Amino acid sequence: GENVEQHPSTLSVQEGDSAVIKCTYSDSASNYFPWYKQELGKGPQLIIDIRSNVGEKKDQRIAVTLNKTAKHFSLHITETQPEDSAVYFCAASEQTGANNLFFGTGTRLTVIP
Amino acid sequence: GAVVSQHPSRVICKSGTSVKIECRSLDFQATTMFWYRQFPKQSLMLMATSNEGSKATYEQGVEKDKFLINHASLTLSTLTVTSAHPEDSSFYICSARDPAGARGYTFGSGTRLTVV
Repeated sequence: GENVEQHPSTLSVQEGDSAVIKCTYSDSASNYFPWYKQELGKGPQLIIDIRSNVGEKKDQRIAVTLNKTAKHFSLHITETQPEDSAVYFCAASEQTGANNLFFGTGTRLTVIP
Repeated sequence: GAVVSQHPSRVICKSGTSVKIECRSLDFQATTMFWYRQFPKQSLMLMATSNEGSKATYEQGVEKDKFLINHASLTLSTLTVTSAHPEDSSFYICSARDPAGARGYTFGSGTRLTVV
């Protein structure tokens, strides 16, 4: 089955700096790669996703890149703000039928004011 | 769109009792829902896939008799933790995918279960 690895496990950045979180996956059949933000005591919230037919996607301060050949994808957050502090999870799925998501281990991002 | 409602958000129960958690898709029909368990500072671990009108598919190591799943309608799946013990204390999260939507999987807000 799919194995998703995520690095780093913790990340601290100064407010205004950029943050990058990287994930790798093992199953070449995976074609859907979402990123979730989880705040304490809450369920994960989708922040951005990318499908395998696209190499990069951007939504305001958040961007995701995908390298299908190398089987890795990354989350980029620019101009970080204290409210960006949370745990971020990457995931991968073969989105045919109702296949479940395989999650990375999470990155705790702390933005220092 | 694509809202998933999960209740209760928090529950405390005594050892040996059963607890039911509900997961509802509010504005779409979900033939499949997923139940996850999350321990503190860890990732989400898939417990089972809930299929409307049929039996749930459980992941290896998850006791089907302990974690009863019922998906009786296209908008509701329930997880019942039977004869709960302190080691069942955890954060339980459901998710569903709107087949007609573009937003992928939507998660509920989670249920913090504490067994005393």
